[in-house]
Amino acid sequence: GAGVSQSPSNKVTEKGKDVELRCDPISGHTALYWYRQSLGQGLEFLIYFQGNSAPDKSGLPSDRFSAERTGGSVSTLTIQRTQQEDSAVYLCASSSLPPGGNSPLHFGNGTRLTVT
Amino acid sequence: DAKTTQPTSMDCAEGRAANLPCNHSTISGNEYVYWYRQIHSQGPQYIIHGLKNNETNEMASLIITEDRKSSTLILPHATLRDTAVYYCIVRSRSGNTGKLIFGQGTTLQVKP
Repeated sequence: GAGVSQSPSNKVTEKGKDVELRCDPISGHTALYWYRQSLGQGLEFLIYFQGNSAPDKSGLPSDRFSAERTGGSVSTLTIQRTQQEDSAVYLCASSSLPPGGNSPLHFGNGTRLTVT
Repeated sequence: DAKTTQPTSMDCAEGRAANLPCNHSTISGNEYVYWYRQIHSQGPQYIIHGLKNNETNEMASLIITEDRKSSTLILPHATLRDTAVYYCIVRSRSGNTGKLIFGQGTTLQVKP
């Protein structure tokens, strides 16, 4: 079946511009996660959605970062006034209910964001 | 979530078994052991997870010690395509987010 889909796969933007990154989770998965991976670094948790609510936003690095989810499905991560340090691969993952330890997260292949 | 310790890198000959160790000495009874891998330029791929018992699937086997303080991921016949970074993660059964906290992992290089 279809996995987690992310678009675009690559995005180049100028410093100061806003960008939107999209995630289509696996159908029926109610839990959705965003992660970031900077070059040569580990994966950094950003935000967690259960349905359309985001009970854990603890990983968002600044107020320039926001995310929303509509219809319990598609999610958009928005970065305003991009900075060069925002350059990274942004990964989305989804998981089925319940979001406990026995439901694996399934990841997309990410969006590579380059801020020039 | 409990912290895990993995070797930074390992080599394995193609066709041989790859045994990747992980220490999680502070794991609680409420936590699973998960393994993921990340092949270059791809998102992390789920491999296997377990609580107490050993587990096997089409990709790998997971051996968890009786005291649950360590585990080993076994790829029975490594191929060049198994070259990747392997992450061992401890995850709470009752966490209200289910998020995974990734460490630095083990870089496995499978050599011809």
